[in-house]
Amino acid sequence: KAGVTQTPRYLIKTRGQQVTLSCSPISGHRSVSWYQQTPGQGLQFLFEYFSETQRNKGNFPGRFSGRQFSNSRSEMNVSTLELGDSALYLCASSPGTPLYEQYFGPGTRLTVT
Amino acid sequence: AQSVSQHNHHVILSEAASLELGCNYSYGGTVNLFWYVQYPGQHLQLLLKYFSGDPLVKGIKGFEAEFIKSKFSFNLRKPSVQWSDTAEYFCAVNKDNAGNMLTFGGGTRLMVKP
Repeated sequence: KAGVTQTPRYLIKTRGQQVTLSCSPISGHRSVSWYQQTPGQGLQFLFEYFSETQRNKGNFPGRFSGRQFSNSRSEMNVSTLELGDSALYLCASSPGTPLYEQYFGPGTRLTVT
Repeated sequence: AQSVSQHNHHVILSEAASLELGCNYSYGGTVNLFWYVQYPGQHLQLLLKYFSGDPLVKGIKGFEAEFIKSKFSFNLRKPSVQWSDTAEYFCAVNKDNAGNMLTFGGGTRLMVKP
């Protein structure tokens, strides 16, 4: 079974630009969660989508948004990039409830200059 | 707000030493508890989880963790570490009825000297 894939793996953007990251979950998984990982703040939950609906949202500004498509693939968008948005963005997929293991992808390394 | 604390940020052990990593959380309601591991250059992967029942749970690679509800703790243990256990370890908490949302601790970097 193929794992969680994230594209692109690396990205360099300039302050003020916007960026879209993509996550393809494991086949059959309906839940996709996004996390931001930085040396200073650690792993922080961004949002979770389940069957195309946002089920939970973390404490991030409205510049961070996401969506999920009918095939469960998910995208997250960050508008008006700031230097502090430089981070590793991780995606995790799961069949649905926390009773099932969440599988993490390799992440997208975003650098904002 | 809910928080998860891992008291040891860096741990250095020799092979065959015993390991215990501390994890405490602040949420008072029903929680599900997890330990994840990130080996160098690899994805985060699940070591073990606790939902209910026996508070002593066993995971992969000889790891185990004990849930002590009265202490809001979920400490990770391994009786004898190996060089291959060198990794970063994360404790995570999921509140009941919060979907798959995980609140992670700050992580503990473990280095095992051969």
